[in-house]
Amino acid sequence: DAKTTQPPSMDCAEGRAANLPCNHSTISGNEYVYWYRQIHSQGPQYIIHGLKNNETNEMASLIITEDRKSSTLILPHATLRDTAVYYCIVSYSSASKIIFGSGTRLSIRP
Amino acid sequence: DVKVTQSSRYLVKRTGEKVFLECVQDMDHENMFWYRQDPGLGLRLIYFSYDVKMKEKGDIPEGYSVSREKKERFSLILESASTNQTSMYLCASNLGTSGSGETQYFGPGTRLLVL
Repeated sequence: DAKTTQPPSMDCAEGRAANLPCNHSTISGNEYVYWYRQIHSQGPQYIIHGLKNNETNEMASLIITEDRKSSTLILPHATLRDTAVYYCIVSYSSASKIIFGSGTRLSIRP
Repeated sequence: DVKVTQSSRYLVKRTGEKVFLECVQDMDHENMFWYRQDPGLGLRLIYFSYDVKMKEKGDIPEGYSVSREKKERFSLILESASTNQTSMYLCASNLGTSGSGETQYFGPGTRLLVL
């Protein structure tokens, strides 16, 4: 079973920030939080990951709460090309299974 | 940029045929993975490999085998294809330095239809 909980769907206006929440209340101390997205009919694409501190890259920002039981992925200026299913995953080691849950289907409206 | 390629985007096979799905990565990654993705079931791990000639079963290995003769190539084999193996197959790889938090890089997927 996936160790994360995400809303099944969200929508956001083009040009606005999209904030995607994720609950991972059973995360252990050495597990990372990863975000991937999957655009229709393509393979999943890595977005960002973090352990304790907030992280930012050219695609998104990741905000992890102090107790690490939840996180938020922020797409600062959503575009139509950001329409995808977004997966929040917790994972420890490289060779262990990555369990993808159902994800959040993000729709961007013009 | 990491590149993971899969031999076919779409494949149609008949029941009972032997099917080979090939995956190649160009970043000298240690670990490679095969998943299948089905509506409502998400991604499920079939097999993974952490070194040449090494393999580990994932959650749903039945009906599948794998081969890793070279570091860059990981093959998924359906010994005798069945209709319940119709699915999207995704290959992934990562560097393999355990404990540092490792991103998996995915290929574009192969959509297999077994008639």
